[in-house]
Amino acid sequence: NAGVMQNPRHLVRRRGQEARLRCSPMKGHSHVYWYRQLPEEGLKFMVYLQKENIIDESGMPKERFSAEFPKEGPSILRIQQVVRGDSAAYFCASSSFSGRLPIADTQYFGPGTRLTVL
Amino acid sequence: DAKTTQPTSMDCAEGRAANLPCNHSTISGNEYVYWYRQIHSQGPQYIIHGLKNNETNEMASLIITEDRKSSTLILPHATLRDTAVYYCIVRALNRGRKLIWGLGTSLAVNP
Repeated sequence: NAGVMQNPRHLVRRRGQEARLRCSPMKGHSHVYWYRQLPEEGLKFMVYLQKENIIDESGMPKERFSAEFPKEGPSILRIQQVVRGDSAAYFCASSSFSGRLPIADTQYFGPGTRLTVL
Repeated sequence: DAKTTQPTSMDCAEGRAANLPCNHSTISGNEYVYWYRQIHSQGPQYIIHGLKNNETNEMASLIITEDRKSSTLILPHATLRDTAVYYCIVRALNRGRKLIWGLGTSLAVNP
């Protein structure tokens, strides 16, 4: 049973370019979460998506960042016009939500994409 | 979500039990305690979670005090590969799904 997959594992961009990070959730999981980890810091929540819906984007920067999780295919985190401060590790997690109480949907993480902005 | 407090770092001898404490004195009745670890710069790895009862799986045991204000993650026979940062997270599942991460405990398992 394949785990959460992310690609690319490493991405190098020059300032002003676009970065596209992909996440394929575990089989049977329809909930995807994106987190960012800056060097020497803890993980910070960015966005939570279900198929074709953004549920919580309270951690997303207001500009340049967007996320989607289409009906078919992986979830995409897109960063436009990257700046050096975007250099970080971006982790995707997925979960399955049973809808029953008590709810305990565990999030399983991918290996991350390390973005370096030159 | 309730705030958690963990020691910054701990050491453990290889083969011995590693006991990692976590304080969550403001935890609410509907909040679960989750433990993850991050080895070097890899993706976080889920370890275990619990609500009020003690839990055990193939990786670890989770002991939650009766008042639920603190918990301990136990790695029964630590190995060098258990060297990692361990995160204790308290999560109210009916108030959104995001995990709020602190700085965790950096566990060093020594030969």
